[in-house]
Amino acid sequence: KQEVTQIPAALSVPEGENLVLNCSFTDSAIYNLQWFRQDPGKGLTSLLLIQSSQREQTSGRLNASLDKSSGRSTLYIAASQPGDSATYLCAPRSNDYKLSFGAGTTVTVRA
Amino acid sequence: GAVVSQHPSWVICKSGTSVKIECRSLDFQATTMFWYRQFPKQSLMLMATSNEGSKATYEQGVEKDKFLINHASLTLSTLTVTSAHPEDSSFYICSASSGVGSNQPQHFGDGTRLSIL
Repeated sequence: KQEVTQIPAALSVPEGENLVLNCSFTDSAIYNLQWFRQDPGKGLTSLLLIQSSQREQTSGRLNASLDKSSGRSTLYIAASQPGDSATYLCAPRSNDYKLSFGAGTTVTVRA
Repeated sequence: GAVVSQHPSWVICKSGTSVKIECRSLDFQATTMFWYRQFPKQSLMLMATSNEGSKATYEQGVEKDKFLINHASLTLSTLTVTSAHPEDSSFYICSASSGVGSNQPQHFGDGTRLSIL
């Protein structure tokens, strides 16, 4: 069974700082990995998807890296803004096409 | 594009009632839909996977007679919580994908908060 760990559990930074969110997973036989954002009481918004053959994926201020062999992914958010405050979830997709979720990192960006 | 609509967003009902939650893909055909449950401050737990036109596959520990899933078309899946009790109170979220074996991402609905009195 895939186990996903996200560190830190919570993060509070002043506006403008860069954010580094870490994700580790136990089974490296993954199909791809998605990063999601969840606002309180809401569903999930997909931020980035990295295929197992890729090392990196970028979208605007977001950059995600994947080291499949060591079971790690990192989400970088540049020049954070108060609107970036949310919980960020990492979800590797196994070869049975199911997503496994970590507990998330709750980010607070202070104005 | 890739919008998933979930309805209702919030429901409160008495113990013993059955509640139906709908999940629709608005602008794509969803071959596969997933149903998740999320407790406060915890991550999402997969309950079942449904493929259009076939029976849902339930995860270990999920009662299929309690949580009835129907995926009758390529744009609609429903989850019915039968004879709901307070312990069924939770946040239920669906997601949809355009293909089981595709490299397409899963797209999520906004969730349904279910409160059983």
